Parts: sequence; C-alpha cells; structure tokens
Amino acid sequence: GAVVSQHPSRVICKSGTSVKIECRSLDFQATTMFWYRQFPKKSLMLMATSNEGSKATYEQGVEKDKFLINHASLTLSTLTVTSAHPEDSSFYICSGGEPNTQYFGPGTRLTVL
Amino acid sequence: KNEVEQSPQNLTAQEGEFITINCSYSVGISALHWLQQHPGGGIVSLFMLSSGKKKHGRLIATINIQEKHSSLHITASHPRDSAVYICAVSFGYDMRFGAGTRLTVKP
Repeated sequence: GAVVSQHPSRVICKSGTSVKIECRSLDFQATTMFWYRQFPKKSLMLMATSNEGSKATYEQGVEKDKFLINHASLTLSTLTVTSAHPEDSSFYICSGGEPNTQYFGPGTRLTVL
Repeated sequence: KNEVEQSPQNLTAQEGEFITINCSYSVGISALHWLQQHPGGGIVSLFMLSSGKKKHGRLIATINIQEKHSSLHITASHPRDSAVYICAVSFGYDMRFGAGTRLTVKP
C-alpha cells in the first residue's frame, strides 16, 4: 500500500513554544490530507482537512490560529502547534489518499512540559 | 449515540482462540474499514469493504449492508495480534471512527 510518513515521531517541548509536524505522502500525490488527534485509549478525532494550495478546513471546536496547517505541495502537509500548552500533549496522526482509501502516518507524540 | 459503535471495548483471549469484533454504524457509507493500531501508535489498514466478505490470512471481515453491521474475525489468535482494532466508515473523504476494541491475546 501507499506510504505516509510523519516527522518527528516524538517531540518534547516547553510550554509556549511552537512545534511543527510534517506529513509526507511518499509514493502518491495527495491533494487532500487529514490531521487527527488521539487521546489515550480514545479513537481518532478529526481536527482539520488540509487542502493543497488553499486554506484548511477545521472541525468545530478546533482553533485554527493554534493549529496552523499548511499544504504547500502535493506531497507535504504541515501542522504547527503554536504556543503549545500541556493540554496540547497528544498523539497526532495524519492521513492521505483517495476517497474511501486513506493511508495513515505513523503518528507524532507531542509532550508539552 | 455514536455513528460507529464497536463491541466489545476490551477483549482478552487465550492464544489459539477464535475472536470476533463487531461494528455497527448508523450513517450511509461508501465503504467500511477495519484498522489495526499497535501500541507504538501506527495505524494499518486491514480491510476495506463495501459488500460481502474478505479474507487475508487469519483475518476475515464481513459486512451486512442492510443491517449496517460488520464483523472482524481472527482465527487461531496469536499474541502478536494484540492491538487496538478500529472500525471506520467512509463516504468519499469523510471518515468516521469507532472507539476501538483493545485486544489482548495471552500465550
């Protein structure tokens, strides 16, 4: 199957700093990618839909100024957690693919101290 | 009520047992997916179904569109099958996830 990579896999940062997470489609082009957040022992929660060349679409309750999404190319979407706080600590997963066929990245575990 | 309901939430089995995880959904879908998430966090797609039944090794997935129900079966379970199994439904790019079933297979 197609491959999606994420970088970094783990990041620890201090409160107040910003963290950028990259999501790359390695062997396909993705006009649309998705960012999810997963709390411990919970399922994936869609945060936003990342659209190549245009603004991301955020789910209700997700602060777009806090979670900045950029989809500058057909193979790269980035999620920047700005002014991170401990409550932003979570597992972030991206996916990309086609309608009804999504390939998931390995996830990024963010810990904000 | 969630759009995608899975049962059981947790399941412990002995190695070799036959395992069934159930999924019910309440929305119109194009496809149903069974995903596997290991403790490290990465998610692997096991099956995508729109009708009938699929088999891959010891894994079997079935779907009944009329009843809006799917099952994932694991035959001759093994400790390496221990993971969280997630049922998801999709309609185009729109994907909805169940809460997952945490499976532990003991040797």
